[in-house]
Amino acid sequence: NAGVMQNPRHLVRRRGQEARLRCSPMKGHSHVYWYRQLPEEGLKFMVYLQKENIIDESGMPKERFSAEFPKEGPSILRIQQVVRGDSAAYFCASSPDLTGIGQYFGPGTRLTVT
Amino acid sequence: DQQVKQNSPSLSVQEGRISILNCDYTNSMFDYFLWYKKYPAEGPTFLISISSIKDKNEDGRFTVFLNKSAKHLSLHIVPSQPGDSAVYFCAKTSYDKVIFGPGTSLSVIP
Repeated sequence: NAGVMQNPRHLVRRRGQEARLRCSPMKGHSHVYWYRQLPEEGLKFMVYLQKENIIDESGMPKERFSAEFPKEGPSILRIQQVVRGDSAAYFCASSPDLTGIGQYFGPGTRLTVT
Repeated sequence: DQQVKQNSPSLSVQEGRISILNCDYTNSMFDYFLWYKKYPAEGPTFLISISSIKDKNEDGRFTVFLNKSAKHLSLHIVPSQPGDSAVYFCAKTSYDKVIFGPGTSLSVIP
């Protein structure tokens, strides 16, 4: 049973470009969570999604960031017009049901904005 | 708004000794407190949890203590092993989002 998969593992974008981060949850998991870790900080919750629905996006920046979890395929975190401050590690977690204590994390995508 | 605080950025312990990692929180309206372990270039791995109605939970070498009056929890690792060297995150959760502290980097010296 493969774990949570994220790709790419490393992504370099120039300022103003778009970044797309993908997350494939564990088999049987229909709940996906995205977190961001800025340098020297802990992980910060961004958004929680179920298939085709955004349930809680209270941690998402108001502009340029969006997330989706379509019926088929991975969850996508999209950052438009990236800025240097978006450089961070982005982690995805999944769970079989709504829970805060049963989330399994992927290895993360490290985004660098030059 | 740092709801979970880990005031020690790093800790060094001799192999075989006890490691004690500390955590303070400000808002107690959460159901569970968690500890995660993270190696470089990997995602966090769940280690141990404690319900807010308990004061101790033990799993092998790992024990978590919760002091609700002081809003403080700690993770004890005994005996410490070199493979325990990692960043440890204290966290809290109610039903969906997990709120993490900034982490403590533990080094276990052989």
